[in-house]
Amino acid sequence: LAKTTQPISMDSYEGQEVNITCSHNNIATNDYITWYQQFPSQGPRFIIQGYKTKVTNEVASLFIPADRKSSTLSLPRVSLSDTAVYYCLVARRDSSYKLIFGSGTRLLVRP
Amino acid sequence: DTAVSQTPKYLVTQMGNDKSIKCEQNLGHDTMYWYKQDSKKFLKIMFSYNNKELIINETVPNRFSPKSPDKAHLNLHINSLELGDSAVYFCASSQVTENYGYTFGSGTRLTVV
Repeated sequence: LAKTTQPISMDSYEGQEVNITCSHNNIATNDYITWYQQFPSQGPRFIIQGYKTKVTNEVASLFIPADRKSSTLSLPRVSLSDTAVYYCLVARRDSSYKLIFGSGTRLLVRP
Repeated sequence: DTAVSQTPKYLVTQMGNDKSIKCEQNLGHDTMYWYKQDSKKFLKIMFSYNNKELIINETVPNRFSPKSPDKAHLNLHINSLELGDSAVYFCASSQVTENYGYTFGSGTRLTVV
């Protein structure tokens, strides 16, 4: 499974757009890119998943360049409640599907 | 509510005891998992079951024994608890054919004293 690298922490202010970039240089053809969010004392929560180009849902957008060696999670107009740890993961969706979590990016949103 | 539910939420026990954590999902998913999150907040996969069959066992000590009586349940039994077993244990489920990733439970905080 491809290893991912993302910033350890980021700071932002309410109302700003936050972009968290993750590198996954060894991503394989069958791998998908997935992002999770974890609040203290809670389990991780699925945010978004993509294979290539751009994916958007009601929570975030995911930008994946053509070479797929990196991805960027974009959170529009963050609020204080977006303070959490964000994990970028790469996983193959087959019968051995498993998510390997790294250290994640700790996002702090300030008023 | 559709969810992954695990019990108990908190578990405090003495070294050497045997304890179980239960997990149930009503999402109709075919795969369930146990993850351990230690004090440094690293999430590590322990086990995965697909349709009651063990498919992933990540070099976890054999004091840990998962049991899946049916597709909707995956329990974790831990024998001879050690101080190092103190952590938060998360159950999760997924359906490989769906695009919604894993659904995690809210965790069981195990403290071994």
